[in-house]
Amino acid sequence: AQTVTQSQPEMSVQEAETVTLSCTYDTSESDYYLFWYKQPPSRQMILVIRQEAYKQQNATENRFSVNFQKAAKSFSLKISDSQLGDAAMYFCAYRTGDYGGSQGNLIFGKGTKLSVKP
Amino acid sequence: DTGVSQNPRHKITKRGQNVTFRCDPISEHNRLYWYRQTLGQGPEFLTYFQNEAQLEKSRLLSDRFSAERPKGSFSTLEIQRTEQGDSAMYLCASSLVGQPQHFGDGTRLSIL
Repeated sequence: AQTVTQSQPEMSVQEAETVTLSCTYDTSESDYYLFWYKQPPSRQMILVIRQEAYKQQNATENRFSVNFQKAAKSFSLKISDSQLGDAAMYFCAYRTGDYGGSQGNLIFGKGTKLSVKP
Repeated sequence: DTGVSQNPRHKITKRGQNVTFRCDPISEHNRLYWYRQTLGQGPEFLTYFQNEAQLEKSRLLSDRFSAERPKGSFSTLEIQRTEQGDSAMYLCASSLVGQPQHFGDGTRLSIL
C-alpha cells in the first residue's frame, strides 16, 4: 500500500522569505503523480503544483517549486517570497498512474500548517 | 466553470439520526470522489464514481455509509444512524479521468 508522510506538523516563515515543506512517500509503482494542495482555514482545497513521476524536471508554478527525488521517494515544496496569503495547511498527495482500472484517488499526508509572519 | 459545490456547508444532528450530503461536480467531469477529513488529518478516500457507476466502495467506513450518483451528475452521501465518531469534514472532488481533482468547500458534520 502507498503511504505519504509529512514530518513537519507546523512551519513558520517570515514574509518575503523562503520556506521548504517536506514530504516522503512509499510505493512500489513506477508510474504515479505527486501533488501539493493548499487548504486555507475554512476554505476549499486548492491544487498548488503537480509532478509526474516519469518527468525528471522539477515542476514550478510561479513562486512554488518542488524538489522531486524519485530514488529517495522525496517530494518537497519550496515557497519563495512568502506572502501572508500563503498561510494555510499544505497537504502532499500521491496518485497512481493512469493505467487501465486506475481509480485515481488521492492518498494524503497529515499536512503541514504554515504560518507567515509579517 | 462554477466549481464543485457541496451542500450543506455545516450539518448538526443528534446521534442516531440519518444525514445526507449533496455534491454538484464541475459539469463536464466524469469522475466524482468522496473523502472524509478528521481534525489534524489529511483527507481519507471513501468512494468514487465514473459517470453513474460506483467503481469502488470498499473504503466506505461501514455499512451505514452509502453513496449514489443516479444520473452521472450530482452525488449524495448518506450516513445512517450517525455516531459521535462520524463527526468530520466530508469533501467531494471531481475530475476528468487522469486529470487533477477539484475540491468543494466540504460539509462539516457535527454530532451532538
